Amino acid sequence: EMVVTQSPATLSVSPGERATLSCRTSQSISSSLAWYQQKRGQAPRLVIFDASTRAAGFPARFSGSGSGTEFTLTISSLQSEDFAVYYCQQYSNWPTFGQGTKVEIK
Amino acid sequence: EVQLVESGGDLVQPGGSLRLSCEASGFTFSGSAMSWVRLAPGQGLEWVSGISLSGRSTYYADSVKGRFTISRDNSKGTVYLQMNSLRVEDTAVYYCARYTGSYPRGLFDYWGQGTLVAVSS
Repeated sequence: EMVVTQSPATLSVSPGERATLSCRTSQSISSSLAWYQQKRGQAPRLVIFDASTRAAGFPARFSGSGSGTEFTLTISSLQSEDFAVYYCQQYSNWPTFGQGTKVEIK
Repeated sequence: EVQLVESGGDLVQPGGSLRLSCEASGFTFSGSAMSWVRLAPGQGLEWVSGISLSGRSTYYADSVKGRFTISRDNSKGTVYLQMNSLRVEDTAVYYCARYTGSYPRGLFDYWGQGTLVAVSS
């Protein structure tokens, strides 16, 4: 099974600051990576797919990068509505997810 | 607007059974593969099961194979998850999600709000 590892588990950031979330896969997956946002009590939402393509409804402050085994989600200037848990998921093979990164207010 | 509404979650004893339903609207259901994904307490998301457009092909995570059965009724726009021989470790919020791509390589572009399954004596 493809293992997906996210870091850090919790990221404390002040509004307006940049947040950088990491995701690593145990094997190379090219660009077959998605990011999801989940707020408390809500359904997850697709943020990024194909490692760097923004999903509909997400502003340009969200960006994804990386290929192979190392990936990054960057939120350039955190807004109040961005505080949430973020999961990455590989889809090079049967889908597997990371454990999530909680982005909290500092 | 795409909507996925799950139901059927409950408290059940180990060894028991439960059937989850997910009613879809706002898109062509028969043109979409579907999946179930769960989030257990303190854990990450885990893909559980998937089904093709027609329902002829079904897929399962090793952790549920032989115990869970996914099915769909395209006339009702609904996907189901029959869960038998439930274990404590099946306790989770179960999400229905629309699957984009061809199994096994795809992602989940719309999700429901989830339904809680608690397995405990």
